Amino acid sequence: EVVLTQSPLSLPVTLGQPASISCRSSQSLVHSDGNTYVYWIQQRPGQSPRRLIYKATNRDSGVPDRFSGSGSGTDFTLKISTVEAEDVGVYYCMQHTHWPRTFGQGTKVEIK
Amino acid sequence: QVQLRESGPGLVKPLETLSLTCTVSGGSISNYYWSWNRQPPGKGLQWIGSVDKDGSTHYNPSLRSRVSVSVDTSKNHFSLTLNSVTAADTAMYYCAEWGGAYWGQGTLLTVSS
Repeated sequence: EVVLTQSPLSLPVTLGQPASISCRSSQSLVHSDGNTYVYWIQQRPGQSPRRLIYKATNRDSGVPDRFSGSGSGTDFTLKISTVEAEDVGVYYCMQHTHWPRTFGQGTKVEIK
Repeated sequence: QVQLRESGPGLVKPLETLSLTCTVSGGSISNYYWSWNRQPPGKGLQWIGSVDKDGSTHYNPSLRSRVSVSVDTSKNHFSLTLNSVTAADTAMYYCAEWGGAYWGQGTLLTVSS
């Protein structure tokens, strides 16, 4: 089973400042079809999950452009260029390059 | 816009069988691959299993002996069955499109006598 390790697990940020979350995989997430099936999921307090980024670097429709995904192989990053109050919540990386699908532990973003 | 809605009993007794249904609206269930996921209180997300329009399934190895996922294209819904539940199965259960593009609002399942 692929283990996804996120860091940090808790991220206090100042409004208007950038934030970065790392997701490291126990093995390469490049699929044999050439795609990298890494996703970033946001879960605001009391809400259901929402996808922000798919295939490592593609932003979903309606997601603010302050969110960006990068990385390849085993190292991936979600960046928020300028944190806003509505960005508070828990962020998960997820992979389905390999069975079974797995999630990272989650990173809790809060405002200082 | 595709929308998902879970439905289920809310409370199940230990060792009984849980059954949940996810109804898909705003799109055809045949156009996507579907998944069930869960989140114990205060914890992270866990994938349970997935099904495609033809009924082909994959399951989390940690749950495989107790879980079944099926699809009913005529009703535009897919279902989860989990046998021999225990307190450890208490969680919010979410149905979702396989790639995570669409998620239901979740249904809380409590296992208690």
